[in-house]
Amino acid sequence: QKEVEQNSGPLSVPEGAIASLNCTYSDRGSQSFFWYRQYSGKSPELIMFIYSNGDKEDGRFTAQLNKASQYVSLLIRDSQPSDSATYLCAVNNQAGTALIFGKGTTLSVSS
Amino acid sequence: NAGVTQTPKFRILKIGQSMTLQCTQDMNHNYMYWYRQDPGMGLKLIYYSVGAGITDKGEVPNGYNVSRSTTEDFPLRLELAAPSQTSVYFCASSADKNPGLGYNEQFFGPGTRLTVL
Repeated sequence: QKEVEQNSGPLSVPEGAIASLNCTYSDRGSQSFFWYRQYSGKSPELIMFIYSNGDKEDGRFTAQLNKASQYVSLLIRDSQPSDSATYLCAVNNQAGTALIFGKGTTLSVSS
Repeated sequence: NAGVTQTPKFRILKIGQSMTLQCTQDMNHNYMYWYRQDPGMGLKLIYYSVGAGITDKGEVPNGYNVSRSTTEDFPLRLELAAPSQTSVYFCASSADKNPGLGYNEQFFGPGTRLTVL
């Protein structure tokens, strides 16, 4: 079974700081990488996706992918209390038919 | 568009009872999925479908069944409920893969919170 690993946290950062969330995956054949945010009691919602090595920026969020190291990260700049949530990393399975999710990292931003 | 809708939102079952969790999407997506999420855990894939009439098992299919007679609907059936099936169930859908780009994002429904006593 291919795996996606994340630190469960909690990761605590002060308001305005940069939060760095990390994820490793075991399947070298994975092509698509996603970060979902999940508020307590709610369903996951897509934050970022990345397909190519390097950085991808969208507002305060930056996704970083290093396929050689099988590593994907999410940076949140100028963290806000509203960013407090669980962040799920997901990668496609080998057949390309489904996503494999990590257990998620809980982020807490204090004001 | 309503996106992905799920019913019911909450349900309490007794051990051995059966029920069907409903899922409907109005985005004309071929791919649909059922996940369960236990407290503090990630999403585990139960079943998925790549189109009407086609279903396949995910990581944790035991105790569940699915059918896909239309593009829009993907119901999940629990035949003999057990306490181990207490969880939050999410249905999701996605468009087909982009050739050369990869997998598309999944859109999630609001979830069904199921308790088996």
